[in-house]
Amino acid sequence: AQTVTQSQPEMSVQEAETVTLSCTYDTSENNYYLFWYKQPPSRQMILVIRQEAYKQQNATENRFSVNFQKAAKSFSLKISDSQLGDTAMYFCAFMKQQWSSDKLIFGTGTRLQVFP
Amino acid sequence: EAGVAQSPRYKIIEKRQSVAFWCNPISGHATLYWYQQILGQGPKLLIQFQNNGVVDDSQLPKDRFSAERLKGVDSTLKIQPAKLEDSAVYLCASSLRDWQGEQYFGPGTRLTVT
Repeated sequence: AQTVTQSQPEMSVQEAETVTLSCTYDTSENNYYLFWYKQPPSRQMILVIRQEAYKQQNATENRFSVNFQKAAKSFSLKISDSQLGDTAMYFCAFMKQQWSSDKLIFGTGTRLQVFP
Repeated sequence: EAGVAQSPRYKIIEKRQSVAFWCNPISGHATLYWYQQILGQGPKLLIQFQNNGVVDDSQLPKDRFSAERLKGVDSTLKIQPAKLEDSAVYLCASSLRDWQGEQYFGPGTRLTVT
């Protein structure tokens, strides 16, 4: 069974600074996807960034980038130039690549607070 | 493009009562998911539909939870009878069946069982 671990329950960062959120996962699969989702107080989960396991290049989306270490089963999220609107819960998630259930397996989340 | 719609946003019931949640996915999305998010935890998949067929319901407590997806569009999730431990946010999500892996989530329904 796959598991996702986020060891930082809470993080804080000052506006315009950089912060890194950690995520590790456990799987015996070779083909899979990894995601970071953001959940603001409104509760709506929003996809931040996605990484395909077969790609060696780390994914980037504007101020968001990941450090994907497949051998170490590590998938951290770096937020550059943090903004007040980045305040939210951040969830790391895993999905097996298979032609059936494509359920997301989530970690327990990291609460990020951005201070002015 | 309209997002995933859910109703109600909040519901408070007493234990042993029944409750139903409704979800309308993004138009054209073949796959629909119901997740349960208990406070302090990440969401957990309860059931996944592909059109109106069930793909995965392995974590659905079938003695009290049921779900259906009429005509492959809207879906309802029902709990009967509710227990205190069912207090959670119930999230609906939908996706195109193209293996891009992106699921779009609705705002969720917060259920409190007293």
